[in-house]
Amino acid sequence: QSALTQPASVSESPGQSITISCTGTSSDVGGYNYVSWYQQHPGKAPKLMIYEVSNRPSGISNRFSGSKSGNTASLTISGLQAEDEADYYCTSYTSSLTWVFGGGTKLTVL
Amino acid sequence: EVQLVESGGGLVQPGGSLRLSCAASGFTFSSYWMHWVRQAPGQGLVWVSRINENGRGAYYADSVKGRFTISRDNAKNTLYLQMNSLRADDTAVYYCARWPLTMGGDYWGQGTLVTVSS
Repeated sequence: QSALTQPASVSESPGQSITISCTGTSSDVGGYNYVSWYQQHPGKAPKLMIYEVSNRPSGISNRFSGSKSGNTASLTISGLQAEDEADYYCTSYTSSLTWVFGGGTKLTVL
Repeated sequence: EVQLVESGGGLVQPGGSLRLSCAASGFTFSSYWMHWVRQAPGQGLVWVSRINENGRGAYYADSVKGRFTISRDNAKNTLYLQMNSLRADDTAVYYCARWPLTMGGDYWGQGTLVTVSS
């Protein structure tokens, strides 16, 4: 149950776009379309932003989008805003019938 | 309004036990898978365990298998995590989450802090 691989940090200017990658294996990310993404602000609970690779829950801005290619899933945030500054985590279902998270990515909006 | 409220955290010595509870309201508790996720201080999210709607299917991360037991009481709308043989690396905020099958955690509690230390 190794954690999925995410970049530790990314940064970009307001109004620009950023993509965060999440790399796993054929036993998790590559094997199922059950990848979700969470946003977490300091001291707060995680918030679901994307589920089943590319679906947005009700109330989530369409500036957030998800995709997957092979063993790598991606979260793209367009039109970056100051409030997007947070930690982002991916998670995937696995062939062991468990779930696994990525190590997390700290997004800084410059 | 969906609410999840964890309780039961605290300071425990290595080798000790603790039982966490997660009180659910605002939805039909018995219709959802429920999960526990933890976060060590300053670290990332780590999946811990999940349980199916009727409580008969449970799965665990390797790091807690054999030491932790997830359970639920649908009559009381409450999820539990019994934690035994606690170690220092179990120190974390523990979150419960409603997790509609393959969707991911759509609602989370505020978390309860477990500190394992002598």
